[in-house]
Amino acid sequence: SQQGEEDPQALSIQEGENATMNCSYKTSINNLQWYRQNSGRGLVHLILIRSNEREKHSGRLRVTLDTSKKSSSLLITASRAADTASYFCATDAFGNEKLTFGTGTRLTIIP
Amino acid sequence: DAGITQSPRHKVTETGTPVTLRCHQTENHRYMYWYRQDPGHGLRLIHYSYGVKDTDKGEVSDGYSVSRSKTEDFLLTLESATSSQTSVYFCAISENWQVGSPLHFGNGTRLTVT
Repeated sequence: SQQGEEDPQALSIQEGENATMNCSYKTSINNLQWYRQNSGRGLVHLILIRSNEREKHSGRLRVTLDTSKKSSSLLITASRAADTASYFCATDAFGNEKLTFGTGTRLTIIP
Repeated sequence: DAGITQSPRHKVTETGTPVTLRCHQTENHRYMYWYRQDPGHGLRLIHYSYGVKDTDKGEVSDGYSVSRSKTEDFLLTLESATSSQTSVYFCAISENWQVGSPLHFGNGTRLTVT
């Protein structure tokens, strides 16, 4: 089944630096969502971007969507220790209106 | 946090026994979902509900059944637990259908089948 794949699988950066994660998918989509998961907790919704949008912002988060390349990126600026978590993209495809989650990027912020 | 409570939070059971996991919401959302999370697979949809007594299968529904007798409660039953069902199970809710609406997740149930 169609699935978003995050890249890299793991990322470690110093506190204060920017973190960029990417999501690639295989077929045309209606929407793409990003979620965060802290250890031992459920997923928390971050941003939903629609196929006709190219960029969205929410606080320190910036999401871009390039439908021609079938990819999205999540940028976290000025990272904090509290940003340590796993980040997942979730996509839906035309004709299959259920979300498919990727396997996530594990982000570690080093104080 | 969205008002979603999963119970139990942890459970160890033996192969062949039935197990029921509970999800309770206080948000009055129409849609409820059960997912399982396993390393290397991301989250996979087991079953979902779009109203009281209205349920449907997801991607990995074999060996699972669900029931929704009230808007606020969604039960997941493993009819005869197997070791392959060892996983972390998440309940989620949404106001509208999931592809255009954020999902709100509970904190999960860690199930171990021995």
